[in-house]
Amino acid sequence: SQTIHQWPATLVQPVGSPLSLECTVEGTSNPNLYWYRQAAGRGLQLLFYSVGIGQISSEVPQNLSASRPQDRQFILSSKKLLLSDSGFYLCAWSLTGSSPLHFGNGTRLTVT
Amino acid sequence: GIQVEQSPPDLILQEGANSTLRCNFSDSVNNLQWFHQNPWGQLINLFYIPSGTKQNGRLSATTVATERYSLLYISSSQTTDSGVYFCAGRRSNDYKLSFGAGTTVTVRA
Repeated sequence: SQTIHQWPATLVQPVGSPLSLECTVEGTSNPNLYWYRQAAGRGLQLLFYSVGIGQISSEVPQNLSASRPQDRQFILSSKKLLLSDSGFYLCAWSLTGSSPLHFGNGTRLTVT
Repeated sequence: GIQVEQSPPDLILQEGANSTLRCNFSDSVNNLQWFHQNPWGQLINLFYIPSGTKQNGRLSATTVATERYSLLYISSSQTTDSGVYFCAGRRSNDYKLSFGAGTTVTVRA
């Protein structure tokens, strides 16, 4: 069966510091991969999605970027964090564009 | 992406009560899911239900695709049902799963 791993679970970073969040999927190949963000008390906002290695689509322009260096690895990065980057970041995968989405446990990021 | 409206925004239930949550979509969807977000933030898949009716224990869901809405039923609610319930939908040929703002359910003992 497929599993998704996301780390770290929590992270506190100062403003201006870099960020790297990692997500990996096991038990499947060539999944669609997604990064969502949830601000406190709000719904989920799609940040990036990827349908294959090196293929990244951005939904919201900001100081975050995503990369997919391997088939089942998805990385969310920033060179310099802003206070507004605080939130709950969730990685997700699906088999195809129309199949169910499955989420990792999320990373709670606090920028101080 | 599509617009997703959920109602009610908040729901307070006494343990054992039944309830219905609603989700309306601005466009036709070929992928519709219901999730439960627990107090630790985990998003648990409840149903993948682009059309029809499904049941899983005390939970059931019905999607009327032609009328662009879905309903989630919680029967004999328990305190462990507390949390935020999200619905999300996606059009065909669209990778983006759009989420509603959620319904916060509080079940009191």
